[in-house]
Amino acid sequence: AQRVTQPEKLLSVFKGAPVELKCNYSYSGSPELFWYVQYSRQRLQLLLRHISRESIKGFTADLNKGETSFHLKKPFAQEEDSAMYYCALFAGTYKYIFGTGTRLKVLA
Amino acid sequence: DVKVTQSSRYLVKRTGEKVFLECVQDMDHENMFWYRQDPGLGLRLIYFSYDVKMKEKGDIPEGYSVSREKKERFSLILESASTNQTSMYLCASSTTTGLDTEAFFGQGTRLTVV
Repeated sequence: AQRVTQPEKLLSVFKGAPVELKCNYSYSGSPELFWYVQYSRQRLQLLLRHISRESIKGFTADLNKGETSFHLKKPFAQEEDSAMYYCALFAGTYKYIFGTGTRLKVLA
Repeated sequence: DVKVTQSSRYLVKRTGEKVFLECVQDMDHENMFWYRQDPGLGLRLIYFSYDVKMKEKGDIPEGYSVSREKKERFSLILESASTNQTSMYLCASSTTTGLDTEAFFGQGTRLTVV
């Protein structure tokens, strides 16, 4: 079955602390994975994708095929990182599968 | 800059009404999608379309229909609105040209059915 799992509904960290938002997937093919972010009152937008292997706003995510994971990490959280984060799998044939989302709250 | 525009930000409708949610994209994308966004449930696909007049059911199509008469426009129709359809609705588009599979989203329509 094709599935994306985000085990944490809410993650609260203090400013300056490291952040890790977990994402695990189930997919029989070669996965194409994304992290999308939704800031308050803004539209859902792409944060990063695994194929580009880039760092966006200090966030990185590495695809681990052995553990079927694509965790999002940032070494030092900032208050402006507070948002809803969705992990997504592009399952081919036009279809995206989204996780249930993790709300990140960065406390001052 | 890709623009996906949903016609309404907020809508309040009565139970039993026929409701139309409109979405327009300006990037000549082949694919368009309608999702529901509910707390704790994430984004659930209602319908998608990969070409004009083509549509496919998503994971939760019951109670909904769609229309795609023009490439840039994708409409979601609630035939007879019910209170359990109160939700945030997100439209998205993407292209299958080249290697870019990013989905671009509209600002969302918060529908309340009373």
